Parts: sequence; structure tokens; C-alpha cells
Amino acid sequence: EPEVTQTPSHQVTQMGQEVILRCVPISNHLYFYWYRQILGQKVEFLVSFYNNEISEKSEIFDDQFSVERPDGSNFTLKIRSTKLEDSAMYFCASSPFPGGTEAFFGQGTRLTVV
Amino acid sequence: DAKTTQPPSMDCAEGRAANLPCNHSTISGNEYVYWYRQIHSQGPQYIIHGLKNNETNEMASLIITEDRKSSTLILPHATLRDTAVYYCIVRDLSGGSYIPTFGRGTSLIVHP
Repeated sequence: EPEVTQTPSHQVTQMGQEVILRCVPISNHLYFYWYRQILGQKVEFLVSFYNNEISEKSEIFDDQFSVERPDGSNFTLKIRSTKLEDSAMYFCASSPFPGGTEAFFGQGTRLTVV
Repeated sequence: DAKTTQPPSMDCAEGRAANLPCNHSTISGNEYVYWYRQIHSQGPQYIIHGLKNNETNEMASLIITEDRKSSTLILPHATLRDTAVYYCIVRDLSGGSYIPTFGRGTSLIVHP
């Protein structure tokens, strides 16, 4: 069964450093998403991406964050100058088309900022 | 999007049916009901969705009341591996990209 793959599974970084979280969406999907979940809290939407541009983003997704689909298969989330409060699970998801069907989520990257 | 209300927690005996309710009394005609679940520390997993007819797949059944103001997700024979947080999401699919927005959900514990 096709699945969304995220790497690394766990990333530890020092405050102020930049991190890149990587995702390989399901191959025939066109819509991509990043979510995060701070420990013990809700799953929060960050950004959606289609046709090589951001289609929607939340208030959380400020200038510290950026997304990219550099090579047609990977979908990355970059966090510049990480802060302690960026520590969370980050989930990537993909879906075949908008408004039509379910989103498939990856297993997440646990980001720990120290 | 319509707001949903779910009980914070439920429990169920292994092998029995788990019936998870969701109230969405302000749902509009274009809004679908989606269910996801999140097993501890894993990514959310899509389960099922429907508009007004009852739906069934290999994971679960979705029963939507005739007035569409509430629904029930049924896991017919719950197993220990069904212990998870279950999210009921109502979403208008008539425009824009579909973005699941997660609330607190129902924490289902399946016990032996």
C-alpha cells in the first residue's frame, strides 16, 4: 500500500539553528500539507501546497517557515532559527485532489529544540 | 465549517462494537462528515467519510442521522489496536483544497 514517508523520524537541534524536514508524498498525489502537534495538544494545520505554490497557510506558518518541492518527489519544510517552542511532531500529508478524498499522513518527525 | 462535539473519552471491551458519537448540529448541505484516528504518536489515519447516506468500508461504518445533525462511527469488533483518538471533522468540499482541521476528538480505550 502506498504511504507518505518522512525523514528523519527524530531530529534534535540547537535553538537558533535551521532544520529541514523531508517528506515523500504518495506518487500520484497533487496536494501536500504540513501539520504539527505539540506534545499533548491538537494536531494543527501549517500549510498546504499545490502546483508548486502555497495554497493556504495558518497563522502559525510565519516567515520562519518555508516549504519547497525541489525535485518533483520530495516535499520539505524548512524552519529557520528554531525556537524551543518549535519542538513538536511534524506530520506531512498528501491527497490526490482537493475537496474530494482523504489525506494520507506520514508517521511524523519528532523535532526537539534544545 | 460546522463545529463538531465529541465526548472526550470512551471505553469498549475487546470484541464488542465501539460506537463513537459526533454532534454537528450546524452542518450545512455541502458539508461532508469525515472521521480520522490517531494512534499514539503516529500520524492521523483516514477512516471513512460521508455526506448523507450511511457508509461502510473495511475499517468501520458511518451512520449519519436523517437530519444530518449527528453521526456515529461504528467499529464493529474493536481490538486493542483500535485504541486511539478519533476525530470527527465536518468540511465543505465545494471550494478550495481540503484541509482536515482537528479538534480534541474522542480518546477510545479498548480493554481486554
